[in-house]
Amino acid sequence: AQSVAQPEDQVNVAEGNPLTVKCTYSVSGNPYLFWYVQYPNRGLQFLLKYITGDNLVKGSYGFEAEFNKSQTSFHLKKPSALVSDSALYFCAVRDLNQAGTALIFGKGTTLSVSS
Amino acid sequence: GAVVSQHPSRVICKSGTSVKIECRSLDFQATTMFWYRQFPKQSLMLMATSNEGSKATYEQGVEKDKFLINHASLTLSTLTVTSAHPEDSSFYICSARKGMGNQPQHFGDGTRLSIL
Repeated sequence: AQSVAQPEDQVNVAEGNPLTVKCTYSVSGNPYLFWYVQYPNRGLQFLLKYITGDNLVKGSYGFEAEFNKSQTSFHLKKPSALVSDSALYFCAVRDLNQAGTALIFGKGTTLSVSS
Repeated sequence: GAVVSQHPSRVICKSGTSVKIECRSLDFQATTMFWYRQFPKQSLMLMATSNEGSKATYEQGVEKDKFLINHASLTLSTLTVTSAHPEDSSFYICSARKGMGNQPQHFGDGTRLSIL
């Protein structure tokens, strides 16, 4: 079975500081990993994805994520946080070997960036 | 590109009413569409997966007679909450994906359903 863990309910950072939102996953096959962001009463916006290749993936709005196979992690990072980055962030996974299946989401992490 | 439109954005209705939510992929053909339900401050719970022209596959614990899903075309899927009750109040989000391969899922803006 696939699963995603986001160990932090909330992450607080000051504007201009680097941020990290943690994610670990479990799949039986090869992982297909995503990060999405959700603003209040809105759907999810795609940030970035990892399938294969370079372990450091760059995405929208200056975000990046690092795939670590040995630690089964896919942490989201940004070198310098903005107040406008404050939102709910979801990590999601799908087993690459199970085509057609839906993404499974973590419980989400609320990012709060203070000015 | 890859825009998913979900309508309506908000519904408030009386208990016993049936409510239909539409999900359209505006600029791509969605081979597969997904319906999720989100409770306050919680993750998205997958309700069902639908492929165009086929019956939807429901997740365990989701009542298929309660949540009717129709995926009649490659650009439209509908979710009908039949005889809705207050416990059905939630945020419903649809998602669409082009093809079966390594394509991301794109999400609508969600529908806030409130049953009085």
